[in-house]
Amino acid sequence: DGGITQSPKYLFRKEGQNVTLSCEQNLNHDAMYWYRQDPGQGLRLIYYSQIVNDFQKGDIAEGYSVSREKKESFPLTVTSAQKNPTAFYLCASSLDRASTDTQYFGPGTRLTVL
Amino acid sequence: EDKVVQSPLSLVVHEGDTVTLNCSYEVTNFRSLLWYKQEKKAPTFLFMLTSSGIEKKSGRLSSILDKKELFSILNITATQTGDSAVYLCAVRTSGSRLTFGEGTQLTVNP
Repeated sequence: DGGITQSPKYLFRKEGQNVTLSCEQNLNHDAMYWYRQDPGQGLRLIYYSQIVNDFQKGDIAEGYSVSREKKESFPLTVTSAQKNPTAFYLCASSLDRASTDTQYFGPGTRLTVL
Repeated sequence: EDKVVQSPLSLVVHEGDTVTLNCSYEVTNFRSLLWYKQEKKAPTFLFMLTSSGIEKKSGRLSSILDKKELFSILNITATQTGDSAVYLCAVRTSGSRLTFGEGTQLTVNP
């Protein structure tokens, strides 16, 4: 099956702990993205990567970190510095070869910090 | 700062009604506008619009872009309960970044 997978689906953590969210794609897409969605709000870009071993900050990167060691994988770490980490996290990917390329989304991870 | 604004933020209709969702934008270096449907989890792609005045259609859904007035509309005719979802509008600017609006929560009652 081709697609984007995120794990886990639900995640609970205590305040002050770092947590890593997984995102894997087998679509051979060059670019990968992390978004955060809060209730009643649209998606906000955290980090994105257009090529292996390179990534850029999005609009709300503070308190998050990423790595892109393999084309298929783009894990997101929510650090203890993130002041309000409870949210729905969505990973996406795209070919990024033309301005008409579309971003496709994974199923999301709902993180709750207790 | 790039900005995408959707209206209304929420809408409740009865099955069979026709709805129009609005998306306006103020961005630098516009490349394309995308509509997504989100039911509980992953947004699914509906349309991508790059040229003004050309309607994209898929079944009961259609969308059009006006690049002069900087807006797009998404129409859904003969709505069904399965159309209940959040509809997201996003604009692609430089590189591969998307800027999203807040979304319109559509509820279709039987």
